[in-house]
Amino acid sequence: KQEVTQIPAALSVPEGENLVLNCSFTDSAIYNLQWFRQDPGKGLTSLLLIQSSQREQTSGRLNASLDKSSGRSTLYIAASQPGDSATYLCAVRRGGSEKLVFGKGMKLTVNP
Amino acid sequence: EAGVAQSPRYKIIEKRQSVAFWCNPISGHATLYWYQQILGQGPKLLIQFQNNGVVDDSQLPKDRFSAERLKGVDSTLKIQPAKLEDSAVYLCASSLKGRVDEQFFGPGTRLTVL
Repeated sequence: KQEVTQIPAALSVPEGENLVLNCSFTDSAIYNLQWFRQDPGKGLTSLLLIQSSQREQTSGRLNASLDKSSGRSTLYIAASQPGDSATYLCAVRRGGSEKLVFGKGMKLTVNP
Repeated sequence: EAGVAQSPRYKIIEKRQSVAFWCNPISGHATLYWYQQILGQGPKLLIQFQNNGVVDDSQLPKDRFSAERLKGVDSTLKIQPAKLEDSAVYLCASSLKGRVDEQFFGPGTRLTVL
């Protein structure tokens, strides 16, 4: 059974810091991995999708990397801003399945 | 483009009562998903529809939960009777057919069972 872990559960940082969010998964037979953002009272928004054959994806100040063999992904946020405050979740999809398995998320607070 | 709509946004009920949630997906999206997100956890898929057919309901507690999508558009998720552990946010998402990696999520319904 696939398990997805995100540590720590919460992080509070001053504005401007470069951040690394971690995600680990137990079954390396994944099809892809996706990072989401969730704001209070709102649904999830997809940030980056990495296919199992890829090593990284970039979008603006965000960069996600994937090391499938070690069961790890990181989301790098450059020059953090208060608007980045949200909960970040990673989710993996197994090959042959349409089901996303989510981690518990990491609540990020960026202080001005 | 209008997003996924859900109602109500909040609901408080007592245990053993019934409750229903409604979801209107993005126009043209054939696939609809219902997730349960318990506080402090990630979303868990309850049921996935393709048009009005069920694709996956393996994690739906069928003794108390039911869902339908009669005309392949709107969907309703029902809980009867509710238990304390059903307190959660119920998220609805939709996607184009076969585009499971491009799900659009609604704001969710926060259910509190007392």
